[in-house]
Amino acid sequence: GAVVSQHPSRVICKSGTSVKIECRSLDFQATTMFWYRQFPKQSLMLMATSNEGSKATYEQGVEKDKFLINHASLTLSTLTVTSAHPEDSSFYICSARYRTEANYGYTFGSGTRLTVV
Amino acid sequence: DQQVKQNSPSLSVQEGRISILNCDYTNSMFDYFLWYKKYPAEGPTFLISISSIKDKNEDGRFTVFLNKSAKHLSLHIVPSQPGDSAVYFCAASLNNAGNMLTFGGGTRLMVKP
Repeated sequence: GAVVSQHPSRVICKSGTSVKIECRSLDFQATTMFWYRQFPKQSLMLMATSNEGSKATYEQGVEKDKFLINHASLTLSTLTVTSAHPEDSSFYICSARYRTEANYGYTFGSGTRLTVV
Repeated sequence: DQQVKQNSPSLSVQEGRISILNCDYTNSMFDYFLWYKKYPAEGPTFLISISSIKDKNEDGRFTVFLNKSAKHLSLHIVPSQPGDSAVYFCAASLNNAGNMLTFGGGTRLMVKP
């Protein structure tokens, strides 16, 4: 259980275009999802916290107008990289929080490799 | 300011031996800790977690130890297998009500046959 599906796994786009990444919880309802970015050989950096039905909370230094997050349903959150530039090339990973018997767990999507040319 | 640190970027271990991955944190309010395994170009996979009310949690070959006074946790893998070779991230959360995770920088484990 607690599976998150992330698509696409790889995308190459031209500078100036926008790219949408989807994150779906397959077997549970995810009221909260998280979007991370990972640069080569570095840790996962939280970009924003996405709550169903409300605005996302962005971490310091993350441009909310550039990285649009929509969490319109309990099973889907999307990250749109607008007007992409080569420096946006990175590995983006979504995560969803789910309830366990005693605590919460966090499950991750398989990631999206974005290359902006 | 890195609140979660993994000071060893890499670790090499012989197959069958024990792998010990370490993690330190600075925020004493963290009370839920998790270890994830990650392969290149894939999302992290959950391994094991521990609540701050415990000092040890074991699941098969994986054991996590928590030393709250030292703000230190470690993941022990025994016996280590070549398939364990990956990057391991520790993560911490402010109360287990499910706030965001703060990740360490990761340790690349290489298990030699």
